[in-house]
Amino acid sequence: QVKLLQSGAALVKPGASVKMSCKASGYTFTDYWVSWVKQSHGKSLEWIGEIYPNSGATNFNEKFKGKATLTVDKSTSTAYMELSRLTSEDSAIYYCTRIIRGRAFDYWGQGVMVTVSS
Amino acid sequence: DIQMTQSPASLSASLEEIVTITCQASQDIGNWLSWYQQKPGKSPQLLIYGATSLADGVPSRFSGSRSGTQYSLKISRLQVEDIGIYYCLQAYSAPYTFGAGTKLELK
Repeated sequence: QVKLLQSGAALVKPGASVKMSCKASGYTFTDYWVSWVKQSHGKSLEWIGEIYPNSGATNFNEKFKGKATLTVDKSTSTAYMELSRLTSEDSAIYYCTRIIRGRAFDYWGQGVMVTVSS
Repeated sequence: DIQMTQSPASLSASLEEIVTITCQASQDIGNWLSWYQQKPGKSPQLLIYGATSLADGVPSRFSGSRSGTQYSLKISRLQVEDIGIYYCLQAYSAPYTFGAGTKLELK
């Protein structure tokens, strides 16, 4: 069955960077776009961007350009997102998702809680 | 950016009741609309894609419809396990945008 397994929670200092992973299994990793979504505490969802593992092509929400970097490792079917120059506004849960036809997000990782604190 | 205005923000309903949640898009988004349910402490789950298609494994009491730029999610007979927060998502054009969410509670 399809699974997206994300890395564990992170506690990072302001100004630092964090890199999280999303390991896909149960399907052909290179056939589907992977999106990343942010959920701040008690708030709605924000789309960060997406990456096509086959080519590495990316699309971003302008708000997250310069903040998020998306990469993949096809050999391990793993997608990565790195967030840089962290502030308290970046404290949130981050999800990776698979995108199906109709650009719906059919499978979600369990989420990574990032806490930015000194 | 395309704005998705979701209503109501919260809703209290009784078991077996019909529940309807709507999302109004700020412009034409065709059928690039999906609905998600999120339970406390869990990841969102896909319910409806393409505005009206039921995702695999989702009970048939859930349905989606479209009228112009207004989209609706209907739960025909509310069950206890349907309690949670519901979101719509437009993926017609980037940046993809979610509605603010509807918190569904049991009366």
